[in-house]
Amino acid sequence: NAGVTQTPKFRVLKTGQSMTLLCAQDMNHEYMYWYRQDPGMGLRLIHYSVGEGTTAKGEVPDGYNVSRLKKQNFLLGLESAAPSQTSVYFCASATPGQGIHEQYFGPGTRLTVT
Amino acid sequence: GNSVTQMEGPVTLSEEAFLTINCTYTATGYPSLFWYVQYPGEGLQLLLKATKADDKGSNKGFEATYRKETTSFHLEKGSVQVSDSAVYFCALSSNTGKLIFGQGTTLQVKP
Repeated sequence: NAGVTQTPKFRVLKTGQSMTLLCAQDMNHEYMYWYRQDPGMGLRLIHYSVGEGTTAKGEVPDGYNVSRLKKQNFLLGLESAAPSQTSVYFCASATPGQGIHEQYFGPGTRLTVT
Repeated sequence: GNSVTQMEGPVTLSEEAFLTINCTYTATGYPSLFWYVQYPGEGLQLLLKATKADDKGSNKGFEATYRKETTSFHLEKGSVQVSDSAVYFCALSSNTGKLIFGQGTTLQVKP
């Protein structure tokens, strides 16, 4: 099993550009999450999904959109990137059967917006 | 609202030293508590958990006890190794099923 994978690993964007981060999991998990990690601030939840076709806002959703068209994939979009979105982005998944709080994380995407 | 506070880092120890990383929380109800570890260049991994008061979670020589009276979940290890160098995150589960993380504590273990 690959677990949770994220594409790309690194990206540099210019202000105003758009991009999509892809998260894929092969564990048949219902729940998926997008976090951002910034120095001294831990992980903050951007958006999450409790099932295919559903999404919800987390703690810091502004400037991001998400889609969950397939159970195994969770996409995070930046429509118009800003320097404040420079961060490391982590995707995670979980399932109620194992405890929804035991989240499995991907390796992260390091995004720089200049 | 719910929150988690961890001790400031970095924590620098010599190999075989005793480790304590403090974690306190504020929450309504009875959350579950977790420690996650992030090794350099990787995502987070669950290290241990406790789901009710007085529970002790343990894994890989690490332990933490859920103390409701002091709202704490301190991480301890009796003898650290260089391979334990990582960032450690304390977290609690909210009543909506989401995790709330502390800011993370960096541990550096020197040979």
